[in-house]
Order: sequence, then structure tokens, then C-alpha cells
Amino acid sequence: EPEVTQTPSHQVTQMGQEVILRCVPISNHLYFYWYRQILGQKVEFLVSFYNNEISEKSEIFDDQFSVERPDGSNFTLKIRSTKLEDSAMYFCASSQKNTGELFFGEGSRLTVL
Amino acid sequence: AQSVAQPEDQVNVAEGNPLTVKCTYSVSGNPYLFWYVQYPNRGLQFLLKYITGDNLVKGSYGFEAEFNKSQTSFHLKKPSALVSDSALYFCAVRDIPGGYQKVTFGTGTKLQVIP
Repeated sequence: EPEVTQTPSHQVTQMGQEVILRCVPISNHLYFYWYRQILGQKVEFLVSFYNNEISEKSEIFDDQFSVERPDGSNFTLKIRSTKLEDSAMYFCASSQKNTGELFFGEGSRLTVL
Repeated sequence: AQSVAQPEDQVNVAEGNPLTVKCTYSVSGNPYLFWYVQYPNRGLQFLLKYITGDNLVKGSYGFEAEFNKSQTSFHLKKPSALVSDSALYFCAVRDIPGGYQKVTFGTGTKLQVIP
């Protein structure tokens, strides 16, 4: 069964460093998302991406965050200058249709020291 | 703005008993509603969805959910709980007329099935 894959599974970084989290969505999906979850609790929307542009973003997704789909398969989330409060589990998701369910990856755990 | 509420942080149920996990939603128009399950250190897995049609929706692993428009609820149910159902359950909503793709998740309910 096709799945969303995320790398790395865990990244530890120093405050102020740049981090790139990578995702390979399911191949025939058109809608892409990043969510984050802090301490196994609420799942917070960050950004949605369709037709090579951001379609919606939350207030969390400030100028320090960016997304890219550089080669038609990968979907990346970049955090330019990490803060302690960016420590979380980051989930990538994709869906085939606007009405469809989201398929999630296993997550990338980011620890900012 | 779309939102979803899960009033119970945790639900405990004995194995073999029926279970209900509650969810209420708020949208400006008609909703798309979803339930997801998360096992420890894993991503979220889709269980079922309501788009339109029958108010009772059946999904994976014997779960079902009932859409109630007058009460703006979408409770998750299962007739007979298994220990393996123990996990974190998330209700989610998308507001149809918004035309956006954002899906908003509730705070999650931890289901504990006691052997």
C-alpha cells in the first residue's frame, strides 16, 4: 500500500540553526500538508500546498517557515532559525482530492536545544 | 472559522463493552468530518469520514460514527471494544464552503480498553 515517507525520523539541533524536514507524499496525490504535534497532544495545522503554491497557512507558519516541492516528488518544510518552542513532532500528509482523507507520514521529531 | 471539540480527555471501557468517543463541530456551512487514530509514536491513521448521505458511517476496524446535524455531533462508536483499540483518537473537520484544504483536528481522546 502506498505511504507517505518522512526523513529524518529524529533531528536534534541547536537553537538558531536551520532545519529541513523532508517528505515524499503518495505519488498521485495533489494536496500536501504539514502539521505539528507537541508532546503527543493537539495536532496543529501549519500549511497546505496545492498546484505548487501555498493555499493556506496558520498563524504558526511565520516568516521562519517555508515549504517547497522542488522536484515533483519531495515536499520539504524549512525552519530558518529554530527556537526552543519549535520542538515538536512534525507530520507531513497528502490527499488525492480536496474532499479526501489525509494520509500521514510517521513524523519527524525535532528537538531544539 | 471551523473548529471541533472533544470533551473527554480520556475514555475507559471494559473489553467487550460498547464504546463511544464524543465529538462536536462548528462550521459556517456543511462539514466534511473525519476520525483518525494514533498509536504511540506513530502517525495518524484514517478511520472513517462523512461527506454526505447516510448519517451512519462505517469505517475501519469495526468503527462507525453517527452524523447528527441538529446536535452538530459526530460521535465515534464501536459495539464491542478490543484491548488493541487502546489509542489516541482525533476528530477532524473541514468546512465545505470555505474552499480551503485545511483540516482542523480536535484535542484528541485517549481510549483505554481494560481487559
